[in-house]
Amino acid sequence: DAGVTQSPTHLIKTRGQQVTLRCSPKSGHDTVSWYQQALGQGPQFIFQYYEEEERQRGNFPDRFSGHQFPNYSSELNVNALLLGDSALYLCASSWWGLVGREQFFGPGTRLTVL
Amino acid sequence: AQTVTQSQPEMSVQEAETVTLSCTYDTSESDYYLFWYKQPPSRQMILVIRQEAYKQQNATENRFSVNFQKAAKSFSLKISDSQLGDAAMYFCAYRGGVSGGGADGLTFGKGTHLIIQP
Repeated sequence: DAGVTQSPTHLIKTRGQQVTLRCSPKSGHDTVSWYQQALGQGPQFIFQYYEEEERQRGNFPDRFSGHQFPNYSSELNVNALLLGDSALYLCASSWWGLVGREQFFGPGTRLTVL
Repeated sequence: AQTVTQSQPEMSVQEAETVTLSCTYDTSESDYYLFWYKQPPSRQMILVIRQEAYKQQNATENRFSVNFQKAAKSFSLKISDSQLGDAAMYFCAYRGGVSGGGADGLTFGKGTHLIIQP
């Protein structure tokens, strides 16, 4: 049973560029959440997708957008990259129908903005 | 908005000893979940233990147990018989809005770096 997978593992971009990160949820899961983890900090919630719709959003600007596909996989897009966007981006999956559900995390994508 | 505070940036314990990691949170909700996650150097976040706010009994998972004090909004993690493999960052997390289900973005603390001395 494959867990949550993310691609790529590492990414280097330049200020002003755009980036797309990808996530495949754990088998049987239908909900995907994205988190940003700056160095030395705890993860911060970006948004959550279920049934291809954004269901909840954290305190992040519109430069951060996402998408969920019919197969439940998801993308995180960041436009007009800033140096402060350098972080580990974590994807987590869960099953919407289970209250108090555990979120299973992927290994993350390390984004460096130069 | 909910906040989660971990006041110990780093803790050190001898192998086989017991250590307690602290977490406090602020919320106006009465129904919620609390979690402890472990993040080893490999970066993969792993759930250690979960506590439902409506349950008075403290959760236990093998060597890991919590002390949940709802009135004090405190949720500490006790690790017994510490092992070298327990070395990692530990994050306390809050999930509110339980009533009626729905979206459940987690609010994390800043983490505690746990060092195990052999």
